[in-house]
Amino acid sequence: GAVVSQHPSRVICKSGTSVKIECRSLDFQATTMFWYRQFPKQSLMLMATSNEGSKATYEQGVEKDKFLINHASLTLSTLTVTSAHPEDSSFYICSIQGQNQPQHFGDGTRLSIL
Amino acid sequence: GESVGLHLPTLSVQEGDNSIINCAYSNSASDYFIWYKQESGKGPQFIIDIRSNMDKRQGQRVTVLLNKTVKHLSLQIAATQPGDSAVYFCAETSGANNLFFGTGTRLTVIP
Repeated sequence: GAVVSQHPSRVICKSGTSVKIECRSLDFQATTMFWYRQFPKQSLMLMATSNEGSKATYEQGVEKDKFLINHASLTLSTLTVTSAHPEDSSFYICSIQGQNQPQHFGDGTRLSIL
Repeated sequence: GESVGLHLPTLSVQEGDNSIINCAYSNSASDYFIWYKQESGKGPQFIIDIRSNMDKRQGQRVTVLLNKTVKHLSLQIAATQPGDSAVYFCAETSGANNLFFGTGTRLTVIP
């Protein structure tokens, strides 16, 4: 069964809107979750590592004020795309990793900014 | 940074044939490798993994081979089925938890 639940699966909104994406760990407590972005026909690019109870670690080139990450509990991390613009349109995917286990991914959120 | 790439961006195979998807990596410190399958509109799905202390690992219809000498990884799918059609990614890590993905190979199975 699913290990990770991601919601919503699809978002279409106007430019300037802020969008929140949720990632839930269903099977175990995840102290660390990961957020990826995937453009069409491209590979996954890590955006940030979400750490429960502390600040997220962002990859180079990812604006932390643009992509707000909150990991307030061991089963939930949220990614908020603030003041989204058309260039932020992408497929956003979260993942979790248990101890000595590979990363398991959510089904992604397709974000379309008009 | 690390670089993981694939030799073939697309692969078409006849149903029932075996498929081989290849991946090259550049970080000699990588010690853990994973193959993921991604269907359209979905997140990557774990297929099989292998650690650097092994050179072969088998699952159900899938086999991963690791050649550390030439930094090469392959995924073999036996008796390929239409449901195997997807994009396949290799990913590697050197123990820091961060996964680095290859560019992906689109596998198309012809009925």
